Amino acid sequence: KAGVTQTPRYLIKTRGQQVTLSCSPISGHRSVSWYQQTPGQGLQFLFEYFSETQRNKGNFPGRFSGRQFSNSRSEMNVSTLELGDSALYLCASSLTEGLNIQYFGAGTRLSVL
Amino acid sequence: DQQVKQNSPSLSVQEGRISILNCDYTNSMFDYFLWYKKYPAEGPTFLISISSIKDKNEDGRFTVFLNKSAKHLSLHIVPSQPGDSAVYFCGASQGAQKLVFGQGTRLTINP
Repeated sequence: KAGVTQTPRYLIKTRGQQVTLSCSPISGHRSVSWYQQTPGQGLQFLFEYFSETQRNKGNFPGRFSGRQFSNSRSEMNVSTLELGDSALYLCASSLTEGLNIQYFGAGTRLSVL
Repeated sequence: DQQVKQNSPSLSVQEGRISILNCDYTNSMFDYFLWYKKYPAEGPTFLISISSIKDKNEDGRFTVFLNKSAKHLSLHIVPSQPGDSAVYFCGASQGAQKLVFGQGTRLTINP
């Protein structure tokens, strides 16, 4: 069974631009969560989607948004990029709603110049 | 507000010895705790978990201890192996609420 797939793996953008990251969960998994990893901050929760609905949301500004499609694939969008948005963005999937054991993708490394 | 804290950013242990990674939390409503391991250029992988009704869970070389009164959990790795060198994240959740992670501890196993 294929794992969680995130595309692209690396991305370079400039301040003010917007970016869309993609995540394909493990087949059969219906819950997708997004995290931001920065040095010293650990893994910070962005949001969780289940059945195309946002179920939980972290403390990030409205520039960060996401959505989930009927096939459970998810996208995350960041608008008006800032230098501080440079980070590793991780997607995780789990079988059902609720955020216990999750399976992570390798992440998308975003650099904002 | 950091609800889950891993106060040691790094830890160095001799191969064959015990590695002890610590994690403290502030929210007494957390009822499920997990440890994840992360290698460079890979996503975190689930290692072991424990629910608040237990105080110990063991899986091979890995044991997690939970001290609810102290709001503290620890991961013991015995014996430590070079392949255990990675960043370890502890996480905690309350029911179906979001999973909250610590900052991570980089473990280095020296031969």
